Amino acid sequence: EAGVVQSPRYKIIEKKQPVAFWCNPISGHNTLYWYLQNLGQGPELLIRYENEEAVDDSQLPKDRFSAERLKGVDSTLKIQPAELGDSAVYLCASSLETSGRENEQFFGPGTRLTVL
Amino acid sequence: GQNIDQPTEMTATEGAIVQINCTYQTSGFNGLFWYQQHAGEAPTFLSYNVLDGLEEKGRFSSFLSRSKGYSYLLLKELQMKDSASYLCAAGGYQKVTFGTGTKLQVIP
Repeated sequence: EAGVVQSPRYKIIEKKQPVAFWCNPISGHNTLYWYLQNLGQGPELLIRYENEEAVDDSQLPKDRFSAERLKGVDSTLKIQPAELGDSAVYLCASSLETSGRENEQFFGPGTRLTVL
Repeated sequence: GQNIDQPTEMTATEGAIVQINCTYQTSGFNGLFWYQQHAGEAPTFLSYNVLDGLEEKGRFSSFLSRSKGYSYLLLKELQMKDSASYLCAAGGYQKVTFGTGTKLQVIP
């Protein structure tokens, strides 16, 4: 079974440029997460989707970040414009959520973003 | 909200036993996850505790006390490949909040 796929693996851009990350979750997983992880820190949730609905985007900086999950499968996370402080690893994860509890999340390899 | 506390770094010797502690303060708590993350790689699932007590899975065991808001991950017969960060994460209201992770270094 294929795992969570993310691309690109690495991205270097100049500040004020736009950037987009793509994620393909494990087949059949209804819940998809985007996390931001800084060096030496744990993953911080940016947005959570249940199927195509964003059910938790409270931590997403909506002035510059946007995300979509069309058809409830693949997802794209966009930053426009990027700032120096956005340099981090962006992780995508998916899970098969059941009512009332949280289940194991499967993480993709992440996209390491460097903003110059 | 969720507040999770775990040590930043630990060092242990190959073949020994190490215990990584985690305390949490959370609302709507359902269960406690442990993930392992090698440098430059994605986190991978180790364990999930819902009920109080110790759950053993090979060389790794995880303990939970809901009344104390406390968990630990126990690693036995340490191997060099166990050098990684170990993330404690609390689940509640269908949301998982991660701690900052404990970086474990296993030395010969």
